[in-house]
Amino acid sequence: AQRVTQPEKLLSVFKGAPVELKCNYSYSGSPELFWYVQYSRQRLQLLLRHISRESIKGFTADLNKGETSFHLKKPFAQEEDSAMYYCALTLSRNQGGKLIFGQGTELSVKP
Amino acid sequence: EAGVAQSPRYKIIEKRQSVAFWCNPISGHATLYWYQQILGQGPKLLIQFQNNGVVDDSQLPKDRFSAERLKGVDSTLKIQPAKLEDSAVYLCASSLVGSKKLFFGSGTQLSVL
Repeated sequence: AQRVTQPEKLLSVFKGAPVELKCNYSYSGSPELFWYVQYSRQRLQLLLRHISRESIKGFTADLNKGETSFHLKKPFAQEEDSAMYYCALTLSRNQGGKLIFGQGTELSVKP
Repeated sequence: EAGVAQSPRYKIIEKRQSVAFWCNPISGHATLYWYQQILGQGPKLLIQFQNNGVVDDSQLPKDRFSAERLKGVDSTLKIQPAKLEDSAVYLCASSLVGSKKLFFGSGTQLSVL
């Protein structure tokens, strides 16, 4: 069965420090991986997706099929990055976006 | 741009009572999803519609949960009767057909006492 694991419930760093939010998945086929973010009192929203290979708000994520990981990284954390981050996957053959989410990691960036 | 609208924002009921949630997706989004998010967990898909047809309801507890999208626009999710373990945030999301970019509503927070 498909599964997404985010091993850290809470990650606390100081402003300017590097950040890495871990995500591992289990699926034998070709998944598509996403990071969704929920800022305080805001809606859950897409941050980035692996097929776009883009950097959003300084965040990047690389799909490592060998390690079945999709870790989210940012070289210098900002206070406004504090939020709940969810890793998610969908089967590439799916029509539409049936997402399987991880448990989420709360990122706290301290001044 | 108007986002996904959900109501009510909060609901408190006693166990064995019934409750209904409403969702209006972004205009033009034919695909609509209901997710359940229990405290401390990620969202879990309950049901996916495309227009007024069900694409996936494999994780919907059909003995107590039902959902409809009669005219292919807004949707209602019902729980009858509610159990304590149904306490959660119910999220509605929508997308264009075939798109994997979902737009989420603010959610309805349900507390079953």
